[in-house]
Amino acid sequence: DADVTQTPRNRITKTGKRIMLECSQTKGHDRMYWYRQDPGLGLRLIYYSFDVKDINKGEISDGYSVSRQAQAKFSLSLESAIPNQTALYFCATQIGGEVDEQFFGPGTRLTVL
Amino acid sequence: GQNIDQPTEMTATEGAIVQINCTYQTSGFNGLFWYQQHAGEAPTFLSYNVLDGLEEKGRFSSFLSRSKGYSYLLLKELQMKDSASYLCAVLDSNYQLIWGAGTKLIIKP
Repeated sequence: DADVTQTPRNRITKTGKRIMLECSQTKGHDRMYWYRQDPGLGLRLIYYSFDVKDINKGEISDGYSVSRQAQAKFSLSLESAIPNQTALYFCATQIGGEVDEQFFGPGTRLTVL
Repeated sequence: GQNIDQPTEMTATEGAIVQINCTYQTSGFNGLFWYQQHAGEAPTFLSYNVLDGLEEKGRFSSFLSRSKGYSYLLLKELQMKDSASYLCAVLDSNYQLIWGAGTKLIIKP
């Protein structure tokens, strides 16, 4: 079984809809991240969490919110989706410090029409 | 601003050697990562350099020159499965990861 899972894997939605992307991990890592990836651009950090009570904004948090329900679960919400939020979204975990490698989930391909 | 530059695309031949360069201008430096990402898949960790020099790991090696703001990933004995994008990422002074756009490597038989 995969250590970091994301649901759904693909989603098509309409402008204005609320949508939630979920991430679960069995690695026991405290740190979790949400990124988006667009063609021709590097990964961009949306939100990150260092433990259950810790939530931090990343580079591009506007239009997004997150919830860290447990150590193993970190959800990303788009309150009112817009077309320029069409992207590939990745969740990642990290065992401890910033110099440790990050482990990525398989990604969610989101299309907003 | 912070900037990481990598070539957009490179082509190499199976069995050959290829060097993928990464130059960076960031506010501070706490290390540089290389990740591999096959099309439609998740990035996976390849290497981390924080000191100058070359680190070898099997067919892959990573080099860092902090004074020049430069790194490269060297892939030897190329195999078709090495066709992927290679992402360079720098940990800045605030321990934030700044990602390059990636280099798409195409391997031809």
